[in-house]
Amino acid sequence: GQNIDQPTEMTATEGAIVQINCTYQTSGFNGLFWYQQHAGEAPTFLSYNVLDGLEEKGRFSSFLSRSKGYSYLLLKELQMKDSASYLCAVDPDKLIFGTGTRLQVFP
Amino acid sequence: DADVTQTPRNRITKTGKRIMLECSQTKGHDRMYWYRQDPGLGLRLIYYSFDVKDINKGEISDGYSVSRQAQAKFSLSLESAIPNQTALYFCATSDSPPADTQYFGPGTRLTVL
Repeated sequence: GQNIDQPTEMTATEGAIVQINCTYQTSGFNGLFWYQQHAGEAPTFLSYNVLDGLEEKGRFSSFLSRSKGYSYLLLKELQMKDSASYLCAVDPDKLIFGTGTRLQVFP
Repeated sequence: DADVTQTPRNRITKTGKRIMLECSQTKGHDRMYWYRQDPGLGLRLIYYSFDVKDINKGEISDGYSVSRQAQAKFSLSLESAIPNQTALYFCATSDSPPADTQYFGPGTRLTVL
């Protein structure tokens, strides 16, 4: 079967660093995506990993280990506007989404 | 102007009614998708189309149908709406692989009474 797991909720403090983990088991792999979704809004693309290692994009970084079926999204210098759900999605032949991690950032 | 648009943005209807949700895109992408999102269940794929002549069922296609009228337009129909189809519906588009990044419309909030 195909399965993507990520924590349901996380909390953090403004200015801190938070790591959101994602583990997956899929029948194929063409890449792993992270999306951000604010409540009631559309998901927006954050990052894409297809090779092992770390991809950095400003305050956000994403890591992939294909052998372990594991990825994480790292958010640095947290801001209040980072309060949102973060969706991990894997592409075996079309995207499969995890249920998302709701991150709340407190002052 | 938004690259992916959906109409209507909100709709309240009654059980048994036929409903059509429309999606248009100006990104020039061949691939289009319909998802529904329910609390705690994440995004689930209903139908997808890789070009105008291609239609494929997703994870939860029962009770839905689609039409790909042109490269830029992909419509989702509920032939006879039922209350458990109450959800947030998203259309998305993507370019061809390898990086099949999807771009989402603003969503349609559908309530079936």
